[in-house]
Amino acid sequence: AQSVAQPEDQVNVAEGNPLTVKCTYSVSGNPYLFWYVQYPNRGLQFLLKYITGDNLVKGSYGFEAEFNKSQTSFHLKKPSALVSDSALYFCAVRDVGTGTASKLTFGTGTRLQVTL
Amino acid sequence: GAGVSQSPRYKVAKRGQDVALRCDPISGHVSLFWYQQALGQGPEFLTYFQNEAQLDKSGLPSDRFFAERPEGSVSTLKIQRTQQEDSAVYLCASSLGSGGPYEQYFGPGTRLTVT
Repeated sequence: AQSVAQPEDQVNVAEGNPLTVKCTYSVSGNPYLFWYVQYPNRGLQFLLKYITGDNLVKGSYGFEAEFNKSQTSFHLKKPSALVSDSALYFCAVRDVGTGTASKLTFGTGTRLQVTL
Repeated sequence: GAGVSQSPRYKVAKRGQDVALRCDPISGHVSLFWYQQALGQGPEFLTYFQNEAQLDKSGLPSDRFFAERPEGSVSTLKIQRTQQEDSAVYLCASSLGSGGPYEQYFGPGTRLTVT
């Protein structure tokens, strides 16, 4: 079984400050990890993914995420937050070993609020 | 290019009615997924197609839920005899391949309200 935990329901940060949105995962094998962002009344937009290799993954809109195997974490980061980054963020995992069973398991989401 | 589209965007159904939700994936995408997103929750997997074959339907909550993708492109999720607990946003996603680290691209969703 695979699972994701996002321990913070909401993260508040001032514009220009760095932001971190936390995610931990559990899979039986190796993970593929994803971050998505959801704006109101819209579907999920893909931000970035970890497959293998470099533990620091860079994605869209200046976001990056750090994979830490020993801590089973995949935290989303951005050096300087913008008000327009305010949205709902979801971490998702898929077990590499599941072959064609490609479903993603999502966390419950973290609302990011960036204020001036 | 065009993304994943879903119709209708909003659907209100009386309890007991049947509904059909449509998904048009990105052209050429082999895999298609349906997820259910309850208010304040993350999406939960319902079912998965590789081309026209339904390879995983383990997430369908009851036999009232049925999905098809007869020609390997457009998909329809049908819910029979809707119940209030079926109220949710139904998200469709597609990806280029299967069995690999392909990201899924999501449509805007259909918000179903059962009264």
